[in-house]
Amino acid sequence: EVQLVESGGGLVQPGGSLRLSCAASGFTFSSYWMSWVRQAPGKGLEWVANIKQDGSEKYYVDSVKGRFTISRDNAKNSLYLQMNSLRAEDTAVYYCARVGGGNIVATIHFDYWGQGTLVTVSS
Amino acid sequence: SYVLTQPPSVSVAPGKTARITCGGNNIGSKSVHWYQQKPGQAPVLVIYYDSDRPSGIPERFSGSNSGNTATLTISRVEAGDEADYYCQVWDSSSDHPVFGGGTQLTVL
Repeated sequence: EVQLVESGGGLVQPGGSLRLSCAASGFTFSSYWMSWVRQAPGKGLEWVANIKQDGSEKYYVDSVKGRFTISRDNAKNSLYLQMNSLRAEDTAVYYCARVGGGNIVATIHFDYWGQGTLVTVSS
Repeated sequence: SYVLTQPPSVSVAPGKTARITCGGNNIGSKSVHWYQQKPGQAPVLVIYYDSDRPSGIPERFSGSNSGNTATLTISRVEAGDEADYYCQVWDSSSDHPVFGGGTQLTVL
């Protein structure tokens, strides 16, 4: 059974940093692109970042470029999101998601999701 | 960037058919995916590649995509289908996935 378990969320002041983790199990983690997707309170879904199987390619939504870094450790079956210079508008539930569709970008979708971890940016 | 337009809400009586649309410029040329999200829960993929169902998703869920509109159809709607539904595609102009704004399905 595929499982994705996020951790690391919490309350942080504007300008602060936080590191999210996602522990994966039930599948060959190193064979899949992985993503972070967030959802602000009462709002819709927003893709945040993608990382290739070997970590050699990373992509970000414009609003987090230069502030967030996605990474992975295939030996530990873990995905990470380092978030720096946090802003109030980064407040959201952050989901770790496995990317389906193989390496064909035009067919990318998210076939498994974690339960999410809440990040609140407030003074 | 590519914009996906969904109706904010759709209401349907139990046992009837619900249709949730997702509009986008020439969306028929893209691969559309649909997610169901119940309150307080993570999204669940219900349709991918326009019309394929993941294992465990009831046959009552189906999808179609043509022209400027993709449609998620839920037949014989049940109370348990009440949720928010999101469509998603890959935006080749910005090189990232995009989601529609979501549709709240209410079962009357």
